[in-house]
Amino acid sequence: SQQGEEDPQALSIQEGENATMNCSYKTSINNLQWYRQNSGRGLVHLILIRSNEREKHSGRLRVTLDTSKKSSSLLITASRAADTASYFCATYSGGYQKVTFGIGTKLQVIP
Amino acid sequence: DTGVSQDPRHKITKRGQNVTFRCDPISEHNRLYWYRQTLGQGPEFLTYFQNEAQLEKSRLLSDRFSAERPKGSFSTLEIQRTEQGDSAMYLCASTYDREDYGYTFGSGTRLTVV
Repeated sequence: SQQGEEDPQALSIQEGENATMNCSYKTSINNLQWYRQNSGRGLVHLILIRSNEREKHSGRLRVTLDTSKKSSSLLITASRAADTASYFCATYSGGYQKVTFGIGTKLQVIP
Repeated sequence: DTGVSQDPRHKITKRGQNVTFRCDPISEHNRLYWYRQTLGQGPEFLTYFQNEAQLEKSRLLSDRFSAERPKGSFSTLEIQRTEQGDSAMYLCASTYDREDYGYTFGSGTRLTVV
């Protein structure tokens, strides 16, 4: 079963613009992670935010987490064509010892 | 360390045949996971190992599926009597035995059952 739900499911922007993707989840979590997947490939871990953190940065990525609303957002600033991929949020709940993925946001960055 | 390796990358099989996939995790990682992903969906959990012990199996994993991780090193996922509904990307990931560490995924094995 999918724990997270990303919004929007598809996003198309021009190179240089910012891209924002949202994720909502259902149960309490220990951390939330974002992954990128290029077409037909495996997933790449981007960033992890713990449940007691509200915001985290890594390069052009900014992640926020609102546990009261059970939601997270991923912001990619100054997007590049190479950012074209699907982005998944994944939640980790300690009792389950595994991450559960959402259905993803498909991002297209137009050069 | 070359990351997580999966073999084969692609597999086409006839319905009813058995298939086996292999995953070589990062050697320092003691947790190993198998996920299945169909087109347009996120990965769905199948099973995971801590060292050589298989600690959890999803209800998605019918009796036709079996996974092993002998000696806590590489892992194999076998599907017996394949069905067309088994067509999917099978992803392997490994990580440390700690909750605040992300997964390293392999490139996956794409299975097509004809």
